[in-house]
Amino acid sequence: QSALTQPASVSGSPGQSITISCTGTSSDVGGYTYVSWYQQNPGKAPKLIIYDVTKRPSGVSDRFSGSKSVNTASLTISGLQAEDEADYYCSSYTASSTWVFGGGTKLTVL
Amino acid sequence: EVQLLESGGGLVQPGGSLRLSCAASGFTFSNYAVTWARQAPGKGLEWVSSLSGSGGSTYYADSVKGRFTISRDNSKNTLFLQMSSLRAEDTALYYCARSPYCSNGICYTRYYFDFWGQGTLVTVSS
Repeated sequence: QSALTQPASVSGSPGQSITISCTGTSSDVGGYTYVSWYQQNPGKAPKLIIYDVTKRPSGVSDRFSGSKSVNTASLTISGLQAEDEADYYCSSYTASSTWVFGGGTKLTVL
Repeated sequence: EVQLLESGGGLVQPGGSLRLSCAASGFTFSNYAVTWARQAPGKGLEWVSSLSGSGGSTYYADSVKGRFTISRDNSKNTLFLQMSSLRAEDTALYYCARSPYCSNGICYTRYYFDFWGQGTLVTVSS
């Protein structure tokens, strides 16, 4: 199972919006509404921020939103804040009854 | 407070074995499916293995199939990962994570990991 494809890095200024893409295949991202996104700060455990493509867990800012089109899922962060600087990973359930993560995207807030 | 505390990591020679544990507290462990994921130093996350909420089904990444075994002891609120035939490429920080399964008596599979432990480091080297 190959990792989902994410850009290695993205950047934005405070207040701006950024989008991180996550590209898979019809056997994972495109085949299910089971894409989730995780935020990981340096030396910390991953934290769930989006699940089932578009849903936000309780306590997660509504500045985070998710979407999907065909085989590509996207995470959008609006009103960028310094505290959003972190690594972001997408994940999808697959047709093999396994899970696959993306390679991760480092977000820099300029 | 929800906690997942991994232990059992360490330095092991290639070909050796290690058993990781993940002690859960602050929630009803049996109501959750459980997963192991890993992160090699400076690298991204890799899903390793999951055990269904019912406990009847196990799933493994191709990279560990036949070498790793996931199990749980609900009476002790603990998840395990038995690792054998370890290779240098298994060197990583190993995380346990949970997925909701049963809530208010209704049980069904969810496909995300809503809480993660802090990880235990496994180093495979001679």
